[in-house]
Amino acid sequence: GAVVSQHPSRVICKSGTSVKIECRSLDFQATTMFWYRQFPKKSLMLMATSNEGSKATYEQGVEKDKFLINHASLTLSTLTVTSAHPEDSSFYICSARGQGYNEQFFGPGTRLTVL
Amino acid sequence: GNSVTQMEGPVTLSEEAFLTINCTYTATGYPSLFWYVQYPGEGLQLLLKATKADDKGSNKGFEATYRKETTSFHLEKGSVQVSDSAVYFCALSGGNNAGNMLTFGGGTRLMVKP
Repeated sequence: GAVVSQHPSRVICKSGTSVKIECRSLDFQATTMFWYRQFPKKSLMLMATSNEGSKATYEQGVEKDKFLINHASLTLSTLTVTSAHPEDSSFYICSARGQGYNEQFFGPGTRLTVL
Repeated sequence: GNSVTQMEGPVTLSEEAFLTINCTYTATGYPSLFWYVQYPGEGLQLLLKATKADDKGSNKGFEATYRKETTSFHLEKGSVQVSDSAVYFCALSGGNNAGNMLTFGGGTRLMVKP
């Protein structure tokens, strides 16, 4: 089946620094990638949708200058949390979808802790 | 727009008990319905899906039937195991709006005791 990886799986950073999270589709070309945020014991909240080679579409209430998304190739999307603060601590999950497919394949998630 | 409502947890069961997690949805048209499972510290895994009315999705002993008349997609398993302890998410995509975006329910935590 289709495999999506995320790196790193866990990251701890100091307040004010920036953190980059990578999402890769390992065995298929992902024309669309999605970034979700999950708070403890809560459901997933879609942050943004990115199509390869174009700007990401952000959901209402998500700051695009704070959460920078780049989908530069058909196998890689990155989420950069800029000037991170403790309230940005969360579990970030990406998913990927190939052209012509309805199903999204999820990565294992990245736990971000901002001190 | 689309929405998914599922029963709040946690659901605590003894091993070999019968499991039902209720899920109802609101959508126009004919969405696809999914159940995802999230084990502790991990991302989501697709458990099963159904793409049209009366379809039954099944996997690993879990089943759910797409009931358009009641707009439901309840998850069932006849005999749960400790290893089934996880959070279960009902979701939908498609219908007349929202394209292929996934809309998730709030998640239901299942705890199975030996």
